[in-house]
Amino acid sequence: EVQLVQSGAEVKKPGESLKISCKGSGYSFTSYWIGWVRQMPGKGLEWMGIIYPDDSDTKYGPSFQGQVTISADKSITTAYLQWSSLKASDTAMYYCARKLDHHFDYWGQGTLVTVSS
Amino acid sequence: QSALTQPPSASGSPGQSLTISCTGASSDVGGYNYVSWYQQHPDKAPKLLIYAVSKRPSGVPDRFSGSKSGNTASLTVSGLQAEDEADYYCISYAGRNNLRFGGGTKLTVL
Repeated sequence: EVQLVQSGAEVKKPGESLKISCKGSGYSFTSYWIGWVRQMPGKGLEWMGIIYPDDSDTKYGPSFQGQVTISADKSITTAYLQWSSLKASDTAMYYCARKLDHHFDYWGQGTLVTVSS
Repeated sequence: QSALTQPPSASGSPGQSLTISCTGASSDVGGYNYVSWYQQHPDKAPKLLIYAVSKRPSGVPDRFSGSKSGNTASLTVSGLQAEDEADYYCISYAGRNNLRFGGGTKLTVL
């Protein structure tokens, strides 16, 4: 069974760093792109970027280039999304999802990130 | 790179059919047969409903169907049921590993 299990909710202060994770199982982790999607409170889905775990080839969405870093460790079948300096506007639910061709067929349960002083 | 355009809301009565549109450009929806649709219930992760314009993953009821004409893709829900009340999003491939998301449509079952 394909599963993407994300790390738990985080509460951080502005300026702090953060790295959240997404562990894949039940399939060949290195054969599929993994994407990250942001959903701000009460808002729609936004494409942040994708990574190919086999060679860490990465593509960022236009609004997120330079704002976050997407990485992966194929040895532990885990993808990551990280911030070096959080802002209040980073408060959102973050989803990872497996990309098959040009759609997302399996999604993680989401990680809620709250940034507040 | 603008988001794809979806109506913010749509509504219908149980048993009715309803269509949600997703309008893009020749660089995304019109240029590729790679439009997918997702259903999201409150506080839940999105779920894939339709991929490659009109294909349904196993387990998705055939009440859900997809189509495309020019730069506009459509999701049709036939025989509306109470559990169809949710947010619906379209995503299109836009070339060179780029994706474009729709703003989402809130479907209300009256």
